[in-house]
Amino acid sequence: DAKTTQPPSMDCAEGRAANLPCNHSTISGNEYVYWYRQIHSQGPQYIIHGLKNNETNEMASLIITEDRKSSTLILPHATLRDTAVYYCIVMPGGSNYKLTFGKGTLLTVNP
Amino acid sequence: NAGVTQTPKFRVLKTGQSMTLLCAQDMNHEYMYWYRQDPGMGLRLIHYSVGEGTTAKGEVPDGYNVSRLKKQNFLLGLESAAPSQTSVYFCASSYIWEQYFGPGTRLTVT
Repeated sequence: DAKTTQPPSMDCAEGRAANLPCNHSTISGNEYVYWYRQIHSQGPQYIIHGLKNNETNEMASLIITEDRKSSTLILPHATLRDTAVYYCIVMPGGSNYKLTFGKGTLLTVNP
Repeated sequence: NAGVTQTPKFRVLKTGQSMTLLCAQDMNHEYMYWYRQDPGMGLRLIHYSVGEGTTAKGEVPDGYNVSRLKKQNFLLGLESAAPSQTSVYFCASSYIWEQYFGPGTRLTVT
């Protein structure tokens, strides 16, 4: 399985866009990029996933580079409630049981 | 629609005691999972199930057993608890893509 590299922490001002990077240089052609987040003491929450095209939903946008070696999760208007640990995970499509969590990025949204 | 629920929310055990954690989901998902999360760490998969009557080992299965007798329930058992099993346990379920997580069970083994 491909491994991911994320910065351990980031800060963002409330109301601004939060851009969370993830490197996955060894990603295979059939592996998807998933993003989850975990608000303190709660269970993780699915955010978004993609293969090679950019994706957007009501929570966030996912930008994947053309070579698929890195991606960026964008929270367009961060709020205090977006303070959480964000996990970038790569795994083959249809193999949901291979979800492997690293240490993620602690995003702190400041007022 | 309650999603994924876990029972109990908190538990304190003494070394050597046994207990069962219950996970229930009402989304008719085929896949169910048990994870543990230690302080400052990401989640690690203990066991998972791809359907009623099936179970499989994850990354850290030692010291745990599981059963999936009904599609909606996934039980995690500790036969002889050890202090190293002090952790927060999360259950999850999924259909194809995203996993839905429960609120967690905080277990302390003294």
